[in-house]
Amino acid sequence: NAGVMQNPRHLVRRRGQEARLRCSPMKGHSHVYWYRQLPEEGLKFMVYLQKENIIDESGMPKERFSAEFPKEGPSILRIQQVVRGDSAAYFCASSPQQGGNTEAFFGQGTRLTVV
Amino acid sequence: GDSVTQMEGPVTLSEEAFLTINCTYTATGYPSLFWYVQYPGEGLQLLLKATKADDKGSNKGFEATYRKETTSFHLEKGSVQVSDSAVYFCALLNTGFQKLVFGTGTRLLVSP
Repeated sequence: NAGVMQNPRHLVRRRGQEARLRCSPMKGHSHVYWYRQLPEEGLKFMVYLQKENIIDESGMPKERFSAEFPKEGPSILRIQQVVRGDSAAYFCASSPQQGGNTEAFFGQGTRLTVV
Repeated sequence: GDSVTQMEGPVTLSEEAFLTINCTYTATGYPSLFWYVQYPGEGLQLLLKATKADDKGSNKGFEATYRKETTSFHLEKGSVQVSDSAVYFCALLNTGFQKLVFGTGTRLLVSP
């Protein structure tokens, strides 16, 4: 059973370009979470999705960022018109169900560098 | 809002030394508490967890006890190894919420 797969592992974008980060959850998991880790900081929650639904996007910046988790295919985190401050590691996690005891499994992350 | 505070690193130890990484939290209700470990260039792996007061989570020689009276979840290991060098994150998940709240992480460096 493959773990949470994120790609690409490393992504370099010039200022103003778009970044697309992909996350395939573990088999059987229908809950996906995105977190951002700025250099030397902890992870900050961005968005929680279930298939075809955004459940909680309270951590997403209001502009330029969007996320989706379609019925088929991976979850996508999209950053439009990237700026240097978007440089960070973006982690995806998945879980089979919601609830306080449920472990979320993390992917290896996508490290975005904006030049 | 909910928050987690960890001791700042790096923590530098010699092999076989005793490890403590402090973690305290602020939360409404009765959160579950977690320790995650991040090895260089990798994602986070769950190290251990505790879901209610006085529970002790343990794994790979690490342990932490959920102390409600002191709102703490300190990580300990009796004898660290070089392979334990990593960044350790304390986190909480509150009942009814879906997002983990992380501390800023503590880097552990173990020398031979």
